[in-house]
Amino acid sequence: AQSVSQHNHHVILSEAASLELGCNYSYGGTVNLFWYVQYPGQHLQLLLKYFSGDPLVKGIKGFEAEFIKSKFSFNLRKPSVQWSDTAEYFCAVNADSGGYQKVTFGTGTKLQVIP
Amino acid sequence: GAGVSQTPSNKVTEKGKYVELRCDPISGHTALYWYRQSLGQGPEFLIYFQGTGAADDSGLPNDRFFAVRPEGSVSTLKIQRTERGDSAVYLCASSPAPTSLQFFGPGTRLTVL
Repeated sequence: AQSVSQHNHHVILSEAASLELGCNYSYGGTVNLFWYVQYPGQHLQLLLKYFSGDPLVKGIKGFEAEFIKSKFSFNLRKPSVQWSDTAEYFCAVNADSGGYQKVTFGTGTKLQVIP
Repeated sequence: GAGVSQTPSNKVTEKGKYVELRCDPISGHTALYWYRQSLGQGPEFLIYFQGTGAADDSGLPNDRFFAVRPEGSVSTLKIQRTERGDSAVYLCASSPAPTSLQFFGPGTRLTVL
């Protein structure tokens, strides 16, 4: 069975600081990887995704993530965070379960950006 | 067009009662998923529909939980004899095809007193 680990449960940063949120997954086969974001009071939104190709994926709002297959990792980065990035971030893995996508989420990382 | 919608947005019920949660997927999306997000956790898969049939219900926690999608569009998640541990946000997602990206709804926050 697939699983996802997010190492940081709560991160506090000042504006303009750099961000890196860790994500490791366990699954031996081909996977699709995602980062979702949930802003306060809003629903889950896709930040970025990796299906295949270039392991460095660029998403919305200046976020990027790097898929390192040998480390089973898909860490999220942003060079300079803004107060508006305050949200909860979920890493997710999606293995093809016989013709459909069954998404497994991590427990989430709450990011608080201080102005 | 509109995204995935879920009703009600909030539901408060008493232990032992029956509840129904509704999901309206994006028009034309054949695949529909239900997830449950407990406090401090990420969403957990409950059930997947392709069309009208439940292709995978392995995530339903027990037989008090049941879901239907009779016409291949709207889906209803039904919980019998609710327990306090059922309190969570129930999320619905849909996708145009089984292997496509899922779009999530805003969720229904269920509170069982």
